[in-house]
Amino acid sequence: AQSVTQLDSQVPVFEEAPVELRCNYSSSVSVYLFWYVQYPNQGLQLLLKYLSGSTLVKGINGFEAEFNKSQTSFHLRKPSVHISDTAEYFCAVSESRNTGKLIFGQGTTLQVKP
Amino acid sequence: ETGVTQTPRHLVMGMTNKKSLKCEQHLGHNAMYWYKQSAKKPLELMFVYSLEERVENNSVPSRFSPECPNSSHLFLHLHTLQPEDSALYLCASSQGLQLYEQYFGPGTRLTVT
Repeated sequence: AQSVTQLDSQVPVFEEAPVELRCNYSSSVSVYLFWYVQYPNQGLQLLLKYLSGSTLVKGINGFEAEFNKSQTSFHLRKPSVHISDTAEYFCAVSESRNTGKLIFGQGTTLQVKP
Repeated sequence: ETGVTQTPRHLVMGMTNKKSLKCEQHLGHNAMYWYKQSAKKPLELMFVYSLEERVENNSVPSRFSPECPNSSHLFLHLHTLQPEDSALYLCASSQGLQLYEQYFGPGTRLTVT
């Protein structure tokens, strides 16, 4: 079965610094990968997704992620964070194209400090 | 109303109570989902409905009973819950099941006493 590991439960960073949130997955077949963000007291919102094609995926709010098949990773990056980026970030993988079933990681709390 | 709405936002219930969670999507989607979000654990998919038919039941105890009367509404009926069922219950919808973006509601924070 597929699984997702987010290696850091919390990532503190100062405003305007770069950040990387790590995500590794296990799968023996084709994968479809997602990053979602959850702001306090809100539902999840899609940041970006990788389905096929270019391994560098750009999303909303200046975030990007790179699919690395050999390392089974899909790390999320932003070159300069803002206070407003403070939130919980979830990596997810889909088992197939046709089920809508997402397997989520445990989440990483990004804490941006002034 | 826009997006995905959930009511109530907070619910406290005893173990012998019966209650229902409601989800409504205003996006014209045809697939809907229930997720359970517990502290320090990954989101757990509970149920998936496509075109009002249940297509996924992810080994969820029978004390949770979903209902999808139409493509815009999804309910989760609760009875004889346990304290470990306390969690944030999230509803989501998507245009279809084929890797379309899932839009989430804000959730219902459930506390079982």
